[in-house]
Amino acid sequence: EVQLVESGGGLVKRGGSLRLSCVASGFSFSTYNMAWVRQAPGKGLEWVSTIRGGSDHLYYGDSVRGRFTISRDNAKNSLFLQMDSLRAEDTAIYYCVREWWPEGLFDYWGQGNLVSVSS
Amino acid sequence: IQMTQTPSSLSASVGDSVAITCRASEGIGTYLAWYQQKPGKAPKLLIYNRSTLQSGVPSRFSGSGSGTDFTLTISRLQPEDSATYYCQVLNIYPPTFGQGTRLEIK
Repeated sequence: EVQLVESGGGLVKRGGSLRLSCVASGFSFSTYNMAWVRQAPGKGLEWVSTIRGGSDHLYYGDSVRGRFTISRDNAKNSLFLQMDSLRAEDTAIYYCVREWWPEGLFDYWGQGNLVSVSS
Repeated sequence: IQMTQTPSSLSASVGDSVAITCRASEGIGTYLAWYQQKPGKAPKLLIYNRSTLQSGVPSRFSGSGSGTDFTLTISRLQPEDSATYYCQVLNIYPPTFGQGTRLEIK
């Protein structure tokens, strides 16, 4: 059974930093792209970032490029999102997702982790 | 690529059929997915590549369309179909989502 378990969310001040983690199980982690998708309170879904299985290609949404860094540790089946220079508009539930083919297809989602940025 | 869903919300009765449309700002072939999200839960993949049902999804759900215009049809509505539905473009970054359609079962 595929499982994605996020951790690391919480309350942070504007301009601060936070690191999200996601531990995966139930599949061959290193062979899949992984991504982060977020959802602001009461709003729709927004793709944040994708990392390929070998970490050779990283992709970012315009709203986070230059502030967020995605990474992974295949030996530990773990995905990370380092979030710097946080803004109020980054307040959202962040989902760790497994990305299948074609690119952008999110077939398994974690339970979500709330990040709140206080202004 | 921008994705626009209509309507933003709708209400229907058990047993009815409903259609949710999604329009892409440019042609995307058949690279489209649909997700279902219930309150307080993570989204769930329903359909990908326009019409391929994800494993375990009831056959009451179907997808159609190509190019710029797509439709999610839900037949024989059940109470558990009450949710918000999102379309999403695939095979491109950013894989943009539509703004969502909230379905209420009366």
